[in-house]
Amino acid sequence: GAVVSQHPSRVICKSGTSVKIECRSLDFQATTMFWYRQFPKQSLMLMATSNEGSKATYEQGVEKDKFLINHASLTLSTLTVTSAHPEDSSFYICSASPAGAYEQYFGPGTRLTVT
Amino acid sequence: AQSVTQLGSHVSVSEGALVLLRCNYSSSVPPYLFWYVQYPNQGLQLLLKYTSAATLVKGINGFEAEFKKSETSFHLTKPSAHMSDAAEYFCAVSYPNQAGTALIFGKGTTLSVSS
Repeated sequence: GAVVSQHPSRVICKSGTSVKIECRSLDFQATTMFWYRQFPKQSLMLMATSNEGSKATYEQGVEKDKFLINHASLTLSTLTVTSAHPEDSSFYICSASPAGAYEQYFGPGTRLTVT
Repeated sequence: AQSVTQLGSHVSVSEGALVLLRCNYSSSVPPYLFWYVQYPNQGLQLLLKYTSAATLVKGINGFEAEFKKSETSFHLTKPSAHMSDAAEYFCAVSYPNQAGTALIFGKGTTLSVSS
C-alpha cells in the first residue's frame, strides 16, 4: 500500500517551453502533497506544499508563477514548469501524506533536462 | 529551531559488517522520526518510523533504529550489511499536531558497501 506514481520519469524539453509533471497517490487519498527538487548528491529541497482544492504554499525563493502547482483531486497533483530554462534542469520528486499521517510516501521522481 | 543532523556524509563498510548511520535532532518537544532510503535516480522509500510508541523500531530490509531522548538521537543500524544496502539514507523529523506538514530532512548519508 501507499504507492505514489509520477509521470513522466524523464523529460527533455527545449528552453522556453513548459513541462507538466503528474503525481498520483494510487491507493490512498492524499489531502496534502509536496513537491521537492533535488540537486546531485544533495538533500531534498521543499518547493511547495499542495492542499487539495486550495492554493499551494510555496517556500521562500520559489517562484510561484514559474512553478505552477495544481491539486485538483485527492489523488492528483501537477507541477508545471513554465518557460523552462537550463537552470531548471533537476530531479523533481513529489510526496503525499494520507489524511492524519505524519509520514510521507514518495514518487519515483522526474528527471527534467532543459536544452 | 527544529533541525536534523546526520553525522558523516559518507559511511563505508564491508559486506557483513555492522551498519551505523547517525541522526540527531534538535527540538524542545519529542518529535516523530523517520528514516528513508534513496537508490540512484529513484524516489525515497520509507524504512521505518518512530511515532511515540516503542523506542526500538524495526523496519524493512533488516534495519532498525532506537529513539534515545536523553541523547536526542535516532541512529539507524543493521547487523550485517549487504551490497544491496548501498544507497543514500535520509533522516527526517516531524512533530505531534503537525500531520500533513512537510518533513524536515537531514542532508543525507551515502552508504557504500564493499565486498
